Amino acid sequence: AQSVAQPEDQVNVAEGNPLTVKCTYSVSGNPYLFWYVQYPNRGLQFLLKYITGDNLVKGSYGFEAEFNKSQTSFHLKKPSALVSDSALYFCAVRDLGSYIPTFGRGTSLIVHP
Amino acid sequence: DAGVIQSPRHEVTEMGQEVTLRCKPISGHDYLFWYRQTMMRGLELLIYFNNNVPIDDSGMPEDRFSAKMPNASFSTLKIQPSEPRDSAVYFCASSPTGEEGELFFGEGSRLTVL
Repeated sequence: AQSVAQPEDQVNVAEGNPLTVKCTYSVSGNPYLFWYVQYPNRGLQFLLKYITGDNLVKGSYGFEAEFNKSQTSFHLKKPSALVSDSALYFCAVRDLGSYIPTFGRGTSLIVHP
Repeated sequence: DAGVIQSPRHEVTEMGQEVTLRCKPISGHDYLFWYRQTMMRGLELLIYFNNNVPIDDSGMPEDRFSAKMPNASFSTLKIQPSEPRDSAVYFCASSPTGEEGELFFGEGSRLTVL
């Protein structure tokens, strides 16, 4: 079985400060991990994914995520937050052999000017 | 590519009416997913198709919900009869073959049942 947890419903950060949105996962095999962003009244948009290889994955809009196998985590990060980054962020996991991704509950990121 | 196209974007209807939501996936994508999003329950998978064949419909709430994919470029989600608790945003997403592929979501259909 596969599962994903986003422990924070909301993250608040000041513009220009670094941001982290947390995600932990559970799978039986090797995970495929994804981050998506949802702006108000829009569909989810793909940000980045980890399949294999380098643990630090770079994605769209300056976001990156670090895969940590020992901590079963895949936290989303950005060195300097923008007000326009304010949105709902979803972490998702797919186990090897599964075509259905499991999504987290989402974390609302609010970047204050 | 225009991406995943959903219609209508907004639908307001009265309890008991039939609702049909439509989706055009990205050409060449083998997988199509229907999700429902609400504040209370988050993002729920309703059903998914592979090569136009329904694979898993265990997320469909009840018999009032049905989904079809008559060809590779079109899918429908139908609710008959609709109830106020069906009010939600319904998303269609498509994905290329393989577990590595990310999902491409449409803009969603916001359904309000009065």
